[in-house]
Amino acid sequence: AIQMTQSPSSLSASVGDRVTITCRASQGIRNDLGWYQQKPGKAPKLLIYAASILHTGVPSRFSGSGSGTDFTLTISSLQPEDLATYYCLQDNDYPWTFGQGTKVEI
Amino acid sequence: QVQLQESGPGLVKPSETLSLTCTVSGDTIRRHYWSWIRQPPGKGLEWIGYIYYSGHTNYNPSLKSRVTISADTSKNQFSLKVTSVTAADTAVYYCARVRNYNFSQYYFDYWGQGTLVTVSS
Repeated sequence: AIQMTQSPSSLSASVGDRVTITCRASQGIRNDLGWYQQKPGKAPKLLIYAASILHTGVPSRFSGSGSGTDFTLTISSLQPEDLATYYCLQDNDYPWTFGQGTKVEI
Repeated sequence: QVQLQESGPGLVKPSETLSLTCTVSGDTIRRHYWSWIRQPPGKGLEWIGYIYYSGHTNYNPSLKSRVTISADTSKNQFSLKVTSVTAADTAVYYCARVRNYNFSQYYFDYWGQGTLVTVSS
């Protein structure tokens, strides 16, 4: 199975900061990657698919980039409501696999 | 508005079968793929598998021998069964709709709220 490694595992930032989360695949996955946000006690929500396409309704401060093995989720200006754990998911090969998550604290 | 709702027992005894149903409203399960994902308490997410209404399925090999996903188009529901459960199967179980982009990239765009299943005697 393709292993997805996220870094950092957690981070603390201030409102207005630029935040970057990285996801590395154990082998090339083209741009077959999505990002999900999970707030405490809630189901995950889709932010980005195909590595860089913003899902409908997601604020434009979120963006994704990357291809092959290295991917990035960026929050351009962190807001209080962005307190959450963020997961990447590869859909290039079965089984689809998630990263271990990055917890963002404010 | 698409909505998914998981239902089923919250407590299952070890060695028994976990059974959950996901009821879909606002869409028909005859379109798209539909998936189950789980999350042990305090841990990350694990994809379990998906189904197309025709019966085509794909399962995570980590669970494949114990998992069955089925669909009931008359009720617009799909279901999950996990046999021979142990404490390691204790998790919040989510159902989700699978969409695809350009017939290649896949993503989960709608999720149920999740249901906690505890395996304990």
